[in-house]
Amino acid sequence: DAKTTQPPSMDCAEGRAANLPCNHSTISGNEYVYWYRQIHSQGPQYIIHGLKNNETNEMASLIITEDRKSSTLILPHATLRDTAVYYCIVLQSSNTGKLIFGQGTTLQVKP
Amino acid sequence: DSGVTQTPKHLITATGQRVTLRCSPRSGDLSVYWYQQSLDQGLQFLIQYYNGEERAKGNILERFSAQQFPDLHSELNLSSLELGDSALYFCASSGFLGGRGNYGYTFGSGTRLTVV
Repeated sequence: DAKTTQPPSMDCAEGRAANLPCNHSTISGNEYVYWYRQIHSQGPQYIIHGLKNNETNEMASLIITEDRKSSTLILPHATLRDTAVYYCIVLQSSNTGKLIFGQGTTLQVKP
Repeated sequence: DSGVTQTPKHLITATGQRVTLRCSPRSGDLSVYWYQQSLDQGLQFLIQYYNGEERAKGNILERFSAQQFPDLHSELNLSSLELGDSALYFCASSGFLGGRGNYGYTFGSGTRLTVV
């Protein structure tokens, strides 16, 4: 599975959009981009995933560049409850299915 | 409630002892994954079972073992416990392999193990 690179930390003002970048320059054609978050010591929570098209759900939007070498998770109106560690994971659809977590980005939403 | 149930939520035990952590996957999910998260450390994949069979192994110590039963619940057995085994242990489940990106990984709330 392709490796990912994320900034270790980011701040965001409450009510503003949070844009979390992820680089996955070695991604291959059958690999999906997944985003999870972990709010202090809780189990990781699924946010969104995509292959090559941009995706949106009730939690967030995922923008994947045309060359698929990077992506951005967008939380449109960040709240204090969005403070968490956000993980970008690349996974093959034919993989055994295990998610391998990197260090992620710690997002601090400030009032 | 994520649908993945882990018991117990907290466990305190002495060094050298053996404990069993239990995970009930989300209804219909065939795969179960175990992860370890030590204090201020990342999530480390330990092992995966799919429909009763071991499917993938990560950095799981020989003192640790797991199994998945016919009703699909799984147990993680930790023996000869050391202080360094103190951690959060998470279980996750997913519905199927392949398909549209293996959508549907759901994590439980974890078991906090403290070895004293």
